[in-house]
Amino acid sequence: DAGVIQSPRHEVTEMGQEVTLRCKPISGHDYLFWYRQTMMRGLELLIYFNNNVPIDDSGMPEDRFSAKMPNASFSTLKIQPSEPRDSAVYFCASSLYGRTHNSPLHFGNGTRLTVT
Amino acid sequence: LAKTTQPISMDSYEGQEVNITCSHNNIATNDYITWYQQFPSQGPRFIIQGYKTKVTNEVASLFIPADRKSSTLSLPRVSLSDTAVYYCLVGDTGRRALTFGSGTRLQVQP
Repeated sequence: DAGVIQSPRHEVTEMGQEVTLRCKPISGHDYLFWYRQTMMRGLELLIYFNNNVPIDDSGMPEDRFSAKMPNASFSTLKIQPSEPRDSAVYFCASSLYGRTHNSPLHFGNGTRLTVT
Repeated sequence: LAKTTQPISMDSYEGQEVNITCSHNNIATNDYITWYQQFPSQGPRFIIQGYKTKVTNEVASLFIPADRKSSTLSLPRVSLSDTAVYYCLVGDTGRRALTFGSGTRLQVQP
């Protein structure tokens, strides 16, 4: 089991550019989550999917953010256009079931995004 | 959303037992209590989960009193490598179960 794989590990871009973050969940996991972590706001849930369908995107900051899951093994989080305040570590996680019981979140190592 | 309250930080020394308490006064009947550990530059990692009484695994113990309004994560004989942020989550399904609080930053000294 390779765990949740995120790419790239680091991304530096200029304000106004499009940024795409990628995630490969653990095989067989039905749920995929995108989180953002900053010193000021901690870990925030942005959006999560069940069987490739977005279930709750109420945490997505604004229309500049979009997430897709075209198949069970791949998801993207896109920011267009990026702004300096988007600088953060973005984590992807997956879980087997939607219930907390016996279905913990498995996190990737994150993508550190810096927007200058 | 379920709200949890934890100490912001704790200090300990190698070999000591560390107890981190989380308050969750509005826990619901179906809610489970889950603890995660996060090292710098890594995503959170599941430690332990429980519903009531006591749960123990190879890493930690979780104590939950009868009213379930709080829980205590116990780390026996900590080492320097236990220095991390520890998060308590309460819930069963949906966004409520997926919300991380501020966590407790544990610093273990030699």
